[in-house]
Amino acid sequence: ELKVEQNPLFLSMQEGKNYTIYCNYSTTSDRLYWYRQDPGKSLESLFVLLSNGAVKQEGRLMASLDTKARLSTLHITAAVHDLSATYFCAVDGVQGAQKLVFGQGTRLTINP
Amino acid sequence: GAGVSQSPSNKVTEKGKDVELRCDPISGHTALYWYRQSLGQGLEFLIYFQGNSAPDKSGLPSDRFSAERTGGSVSTLTIQRTQQEDSAVYLCASGSSDTQYFGPGTRLTVL
Repeated sequence: ELKVEQNPLFLSMQEGKNYTIYCNYSTTSDRLYWYRQDPGKSLESLFVLLSNGAVKQEGRLMASLDTKARLSTLHITAAVHDLSATYFCAVDGVQGAQKLVFGQGTRLTINP
Repeated sequence: GAGVSQSPSNKVTEKGKDVELRCDPISGHTALYWYRQSLGQGLEFLIYFQGNSAPDKSGLPSDRFSAERTGGSVSTLTIQRTQQEDSAVYLCASGSSDTQYFGPGTRLTVL
C-alpha cells in the first residue's frame, strides 16, 4: 500500500526565514504533486514534478524530486506572511492514472 | 476560463437520508475524480472516471456510495442512508494530462 508522509506536520516560522518541507513516499512513482490549501478553500496546484531530478520554482517556493530516494522537498525562501497555508504533497496511486495519494499536510504559519 | 464547480457548497442532512453532490468539470477534461477530506482521514481518493472507460471505484468506502458521469461531463456522487462518519468535504477534480484541478468542494454534515 502506498504511503505518503510529510514532515513536519506543523511549522511556525518568522518572515524572512528559509525552511524545507519533506515528503517521503513508500513505492516507486515518477510523479509528485504539491498543492496549497488556504483555510476553508480548495486545493491549488503548485507544482507537478514528472521525473527524477526535476526542480521547479515559483516565486519563493521551490520543489524538487528524487525518485531514487522517494523524496520530494518544498523549499521556502525568505518567507512572507502570504505563504501561510497548508501544503500537501501527493503521489500517483497507480502509475498514470493520477489517483492521488496525499500526505497528511503541513500547516505552515508565518509570523510577521 | 471557468474552473471546476460543485454544488451545493454546503449540505446538512439527517442520518439515514440520501444525498447527491454535483460536479461540473472543466470543459474538455476527460478525467474526473472524487476525493473526500475529513479531519480523521485526511484526503482520500474515492472514484475516478476516464473518458468512456468503466470508472475506477476502488476508493469508495462502502456500497452506500456511488457515482455516475453523464455524457462524459457532469458527475454526481450519491451517498445513500448517510451516516455521521460520512461528514466531510467532498472534492471533485478534473484533469488534463498532468494536473488535477480541484473544485471548491461540498461540505457535508450529517446530523
